[in-house]
Amino acid sequence: AQSVTQLGSHVSVSEGALVLLRCNYSSSVPPYLFWYVQYPNQGLQLLLKYTTGATLVKGINGFEAEFKKSETSFHLTKPSAHMSDAAEYFCAVSDSAHYGQNFVFGPGTRLSVLP
Amino acid sequence: DTEVTQTPKHLVMGMTNKKSLKCEQHMGHRAMYWYKQKAKKPPELMFVYSYEKLSINESVPSRFSPECPNSSLLNLHLHALQPEDSALYLCASSQEKLGLLNEQFFGPGTRLTVL
Repeated sequence: AQSVTQLGSHVSVSEGALVLLRCNYSSSVPPYLFWYVQYPNQGLQLLLKYTTGATLVKGINGFEAEFKKSETSFHLTKPSAHMSDAAEYFCAVSDSAHYGQNFVFGPGTRLSVLP
Repeated sequence: DTEVTQTPKHLVMGMTNKKSLKCEQHMGHRAMYWYKQKAKKPPELMFVYSYEKLSINESVPSRFSPECPNSSLLNLHLHALQPEDSALYLCASSQEKLGLLNEQFFGPGTRLTVL
């Protein structure tokens, strides 16, 4: 069964600084990988996803992530943090092409952006 | 219209009450999902409907009863809940269950408190 770990339940950065949120996965087959963001009192929104092809994936709001098979990682980065980036971020993995029981969320990382 | 709406936003109920949560989308999506999210935790899948048929039931207690009356509507009927069922209940939809390549759109959730 696949699983996801996110290093750091809470990350703080200064406005304008680099954002790096870590995600490591385990999967017995080539994975599908996702990053979601959840703003307070809202549902989740897809930031980006990796299915096949280019390992550097660009998403919305200036975020990108790189799939590194050798490191089983899919870290999320943004060059310059904005106050509006403060939210909860979830990495997710699936080992099948279906949403459902094989789609597993990580525990989440709360990002705080300091002025 | 890329919106999933959920009503009510907040619900407080006693353990003997019967209530329903409602989810609606008008994107023509044929897969709809219920998730439960406890505070500071990732969402947990409860049910998946595909083409108005229950496709996945993640061993959810019978006090939760889903219903999909048509392709745009998804209900979650609640009866005899326990205080530990208090959580944010998220609805989501995607173009079809097979479509991991299709984005899953989430509603803002219903925050349920069971007294």
